[in-house]
Amino acid sequence: AQTVTQSQPEMSVQEAETVTLSCTYDTSENNYYLFWYKQPPSRQMILVIRQEAYKQQNATENRFSVNFQKAAKSFSLKISDSQLGDTAMYFCAFIDSNSGYALNFGKGTSLLVTP
Amino acid sequence: DTGVSQDPRHKITKRGQNVTFRCDPISEHNRLYWYRQTLGQGPEFLTYFQNEAQLEKSRLLSDRFSAERPKGSFSTLEIQRTEQGDSAMYLCASSQGGPRNTEAFFGQGTRLTVV
Repeated sequence: AQTVTQSQPEMSVQEAETVTLSCTYDTSENNYYLFWYKQPPSRQMILVIRQEAYKQQNATENRFSVNFQKAAKSFSLKISDSQLGDTAMYFCAFIDSNSGYALNFGKGTSLLVTP
Repeated sequence: DTGVSQDPRHKITKRGQNVTFRCDPISEHNRLYWYRQTLGQGPEFLTYFQNEAQLEKSRLLSDRFSAERPKGSFSTLEIQRTEQGDSAMYLCASSQGGPRNTEAFFGQGTRLTVV
């Protein structure tokens, strides 16, 4: 069974600062994909960033970047220059090609960005 | 096409009643997923369709739950003889499928309250 663990239920960061959200996962597969999804209050979930396991280079999307450590099965999200609009639940998720590409989510980290 | 839409957004029902939810995916997406999200948890996979075929079902999907996707377009999720434990947000997502199209697009969900 594949599991995704987010050990930080809640985090807070001041506007313009940098914050890192942690995620670890467990799988026996070699070919898989990792994601961070953002779920703002009362709004739909949207993709923040994606990482293919076969790629050694860490993915970046503007202010969002990941630190992917395949051997350690770790996949953290760094948000730079935090903005008030970053306040949301952040979910780490995992899929592999054997599961029909259904996402396996962690429990989430609630991030609050304060002025 | 404005994305994945779900109807209704909210549903309150009495225990023992049947309810049906609808999901309209992004039109060119051949994969459709249903997830359930309870308070403080990440979404949990229920079932997925590729076109009209239901290819995978989670153990969470008891025999009171049934999902269809006629003609490979919209999908319905029916819960029979609802129980209080069915109270949750039911999320629908769609994707194009395949290893190069792993991004899932989510609807805003249907919040079910069983009283």
